Amino acid sequence: ETGVTQSPTHLIKTRGQQVTLRCSSQSGHNTVSWYQQALGQGPQFIFQYYREEENGRGNFPPRFSGLQFPNYSSELNVNALELDDSALYLCASSDPSGGARETQYFGPGTRLLVL
Amino acid sequence: SQQGEEDPQALSIQEGENATMNCSYKTSINNLQWYRQNSGRGLVHLILIRSNEREKHSGRLRVTLDTSKKSSSLLITASRAADTASYFCATDAGQGAQKLVFGQGTRLTINP
Repeated sequence: ETGVTQSPTHLIKTRGQQVTLRCSSQSGHNTVSWYQQALGQGPQFIFQYYREEENGRGNFPPRFSGLQFPNYSSELNVNALELDDSALYLCASSDPSGGARETQYFGPGTRLLVL
Repeated sequence: SQQGEEDPQALSIQEGENATMNCSYKTSINNLQWYRQNSGRGLVHLILIRSNEREKHSGRLRVTLDTSKKSSSLLITASRAADTASYFCATDAGQGAQKLVFGQGTRLTINP
């Protein structure tokens, strides 16, 4: 158990809808990263938040957006859902100032199915 | 896009045998990490090796890194049924955001 929690665990949406996924970071971690993992693939970096600011973004369109709150929890929002958005969404927290600063601790993921 | 390429894509061995997985990557890195994933769940961090290190051990795990060949290997000794999982290498270029770039993984099956 990493201490990173995500909700919900599973979600079914239809094409065109919007979805919000949530992540609570491990205690003391001020950085949250989001990844998308399609079936049979490795995770792909969506973006990272550090102290409530976006701190880097992968190759994902603007309809993927996020927030980080003062308690360092985070949300991933996806608008205008497409069938290809069906995937496991993982969040990971880290503490860049800590001794294990390069290590990211992953939550269990949210499985999103878009019909 | 995927940076790392794991080899093999799938590996099936008998319990007690050693399992070796390889990872190749394309760009300069700050560190390389190995993660385990059970049945499409969250990723568990196994071991991190920095670009100035050549070998690292953690319990039954041994990781090597060859930056000249841009490759790494993960050795699991004395495998157990509980080691059945997918294993991913992930590289960190160490520039700006702490962005991990994952390979496609090796699916390891340990047969009792």
